Amino acid sequence: EPEVTQTPSHQVTQMGQEVILRCVPISNHLYFYWYRQILGQKVEFLVSFYNNEISEKSEIFDDQFSVERPDGSNFTLKIRSTKLEDSAMYFCASFETGRSYEQYFGPGTRLTVT
Amino acid sequence: AQSVTQLDSQVPVFEEAPVELRCNYSSSVSVYLFWYVQYPNQGLQLLLKYLSGSTLVKGINGFEAEFNKSQTSFHLRKPSVHISDTAEYFCAVTNTNAGGTSYGKLTFGQGTILTVHP
Repeated sequence: EPEVTQTPSHQVTQMGQEVILRCVPISNHLYFYWYRQILGQKVEFLVSFYNNEISEKSEIFDDQFSVERPDGSNFTLKIRSTKLEDSAMYFCASFETGRSYEQYFGPGTRLTVT
Repeated sequence: AQSVTQLDSQVPVFEEAPVELRCNYSSSVSVYLFWYVQYPNQGLQLLLKYLSGSTLVKGINGFEAEFNKSQTSFHLRKPSVHISDTAEYFCAVTNTNAGGTSYGKLTFGQGTILTVHP
């Protein structure tokens, strides 16, 4: 069964450093999402991406964040200058248009900012 | 704007007992509803969804949920739980307005940790 993959599974970085989280969505999916889950809190929407552009972003997704689909298969989330409060599990999800409305989630990347 | 409230943060039960995990939502527009499960150190897996039709929906692993529009609820149930059902369960909603900018975007509840004891 096709699945969404994410790398790395765990990333430790120092405050102020740039990080890039990578995702490979399911190949025929057209909508892509990033969510995050701070430890002990709910899963929060960050950004949605369709047709090579951001279709919606949350208030969390400020100028420090960016997304890109550089080569038609990867979907990346970049945090330019990490803060302690960016420590969280980041999930990528993809979604095929149609009627199923089922988003497929990757296993997540645990980001730890020290 | 939409919001989802899961009324219980933790639910401990014994194996083979029935369980109900409660979910209420608030939305100014029509929504589709979902339950996702997250096993330790894994991603989110869809358990079941309500899009339209029968208000009782059946999902994987013997779970079912009932959509109650008047009470804006979508409670998850299982008649007899197993140790392997120990996980965190998330209720989520999305806007039915296909093609809008919020297409597919999920709003999640806080999660309910189900712990099944032998």
